[in-house]
Amino acid sequence: AQSVSQHNHHVILSEAASLELGCNYSYGGTVNLFWYVQYPGQHLQLLLKYFSGDPLVKGIKGFEAEFIKSKFSFNLRKPSVQWSDTAEYFCAVNALSGTYKYIFGTGTRLKVLA
Amino acid sequence: DAGVTQSPTHLIKTRGQQVTLRCSPISGHKSVSWYQQVLGQGPQFIFQYYEKEERGRGNFPDRFSARQFPNYSSELNVNALLLGDSALYLCASSFAGDSYNEQFFGPGTRLTVL
Repeated sequence: AQSVSQHNHHVILSEAASLELGCNYSYGGTVNLFWYVQYPGQHLQLLLKYFSGDPLVKGIKGFEAEFIKSKFSFNLRKPSVQWSDTAEYFCAVNALSGTYKYIFGTGTRLKVLA
Repeated sequence: DAGVTQSPTHLIKTRGQQVTLRCSPISGHKSVSWYQQVLGQGPQFIFQYYEKEERGRGNFPDRFSARQFPNYSSELNVNALLLGDSALYLCASSFAGDSYNEQFFGPGTRLTVL
């Protein structure tokens, strides 16, 4: 069965610190990969996505993620976080097997201290 | 433009009852997906509908059913409610049914089963 693991459940950083959130998935075939963010009191929204091509993808608000196929990983990074990045971050996978089934990780709560 | 809307916002039911949740997609979007998000977990995929047909189903019992109407709005029905059905139910819409189209999430319906 497909699954997505996010290793960090809670992360606390000071402003200007660098961020890396881990995401690993289990599925042997071709996948589309996503990071979603949920700011306090807001809806889930797409941060970035990977379909194919350059494994380093850039999203909104200075976030980027790197797809490493051999490690089944899609880690999210930001060089310098801001207080406004405080949110919950979810990694998601859609296996391109025709089932249109999205699998989300359990999420990482990030708190950035001003 | 209005985003994805869901009704009701909150709902309290007792065990054994039935509930219907409603979702209106963004204008022009033909696909609707439903997710269950239990506290502390990521969204779990329940169903996807595209052009009024079921395109994907997650690992949920037959007590869960859904449909999509000609105007692309959707209903999620849950019969014989259990305490464990207490969760935030999210609806997401996209233009088409594949994962190359961004999903836009609604605010959710918070269901409490007593």
